Amino acid sequence: GESVGLHLPTLSVQEGDNSIINCAYSNSASDYFIWYKQESGKGPQFIIDIRSNMDKRQGQRVTVLLNKTVKHLSLQIAATQPGDSAVYFCAENPAGTGFQKLVFGTGTRLLVSP
Amino acid sequence: DAGITQSPRHKVTETGTPVTLRCHQTENHRYMYWYRQDPGHGLRLIHYSYGVKDTDKGEVSDGYSVSRSKTEDFLLTLESATSSQTSVYFCATHNGQGVNQPQHFGDGTRLSIL
Repeated sequence: GESVGLHLPTLSVQEGDNSIINCAYSNSASDYFIWYKQESGKGPQFIIDIRSNMDKRQGQRVTVLLNKTVKHLSLQIAATQPGDSAVYFCAENPAGTGFQKLVFGTGTRLLVSP
Repeated sequence: DAGITQSPRHKVTETGTPVTLRCHQTENHRYMYWYRQDPGHGLRLIHYSYGVKDTDKGEVSDGYSVSRSKTEDFLLTLESATSSQTSVYFCATHNGQGVNQPQHFGDGTRLSIL
């Protein structure tokens, strides 16, 4: 079946470091990917997305890389700040469903130390 | 974000009682979704709606029903709550202008079934 997973359940970094959060997806037909940030007691917050016709997309301090050959997605956060501490998870949308039927990963917790 | 309000934010109830959760959005988004979030699992789709009175089942729909009588409101009902339905429930919306747009989430309802 379809699945989206994360290699590292917890990532600890120092403030100012760059963080990389990884995600493996299983459906080669997925054509849209999203990264979300979830803080304690809150709903998932959209960070950045990427379509399958792209390899890289940049936002403010964040970059998403997509490697379709190995079905791998990564989120890079530059100059990580304590406010970046949260759970991050990816989601994929299998193509051809006519609407979004996102498949979510279980998440990686990012801990940023001052 | 999509101006999504979920109510109640917290609820404790007993097994066998009916429970209704409400999702209200102010952005006139066509698509609305109900998910549950449990430890060790990614967000799982319960039901979704693609318009007023148009709904369909998701991955984990057993024991749940939904209704959408107005664009802005999407209700999730547990007809006879069971302990396995203890979870955090999230509502999301999507503007429907193309499949490749991110879903936006409310802050969730924490439901405990005793």
